[in-house]
Amino acid sequence: EVQLVESGGAVVQPGGSLRLSCVASGFTFEDYTMHWVRQAPGKGLQWVSLISWNGRTTYYADSVKGRFTISRDDSKNSLYLQMNSLRTEDTALYYCAKETAQLVLEYWGQGTLVTVSS
Amino acid sequence: DIQMTQSPSSLSASVGDRVTITCRTSRGIANFLAWFQQIPGKVPKLLISAASTLQSGVPSRFSGSGSGTDFTLTISSLQPEDVATYYCQKYNSAPQTFGQGTKVEIK
Repeated sequence: EVQLVESGGAVVQPGGSLRLSCVASGFTFEDYTMHWVRQAPGKGLQWVSLISWNGRTTYYADSVKGRFTISRDDSKNSLYLQMNSLRTEDTALYYCAKETAQLVLEYWGQGTLVTVSS
Repeated sequence: DIQMTQSPSSLSASVGDRVTITCRTSRGIANFLAWFQQIPGKVPKLLISAASTLQSGVPSRFSGSGSGTDFTLTISSLQPEDVATYYCQKYNSAPQTFGQGTKVEIK
């Protein structure tokens, strides 16, 4: 059974930093591209970032480019999102998601809540 | 970047009604479009991939169609358990943008 468990969410002040983690199980982590998707309270889904299966390719939404860094550690079956220069508009539930061989996001974690507030 | 326009933003229909949600992209994406269902308080669930491929376990009252720039999600007979927000997402290339969402309620 595929499981994705996010952690690291917290309350942080504007301008601060946070590192989110996602531990994966139930599949061969190193074979799959992974994504971060976020959802602000009461709002829609926003795609944030992806990292290819081999870690060589990363993409970011314009709203986080230059501030967020996605990475992975296949030895720990873990996905990360380093978030710097946080803004109030980054407040959201952050989901990690697994891409299938057909390129769609079939499996999602339960999310971890990031609140940026002074 | 390709823009996504999903409509309507909300709808209210009776049980048994046929419901249609549309998603339009500003440039062609072939059939690289997915539909997700998010029941309030729950994690998004993949319903349809490749514009029209129903995921295993998804009721057959859900269907998807379209290619290029215009796509449709149809619920042939709305059920109470279908109350949710539905999102389209393009995945042909990054950024893998979501539509704005359509909130479906029972009248």
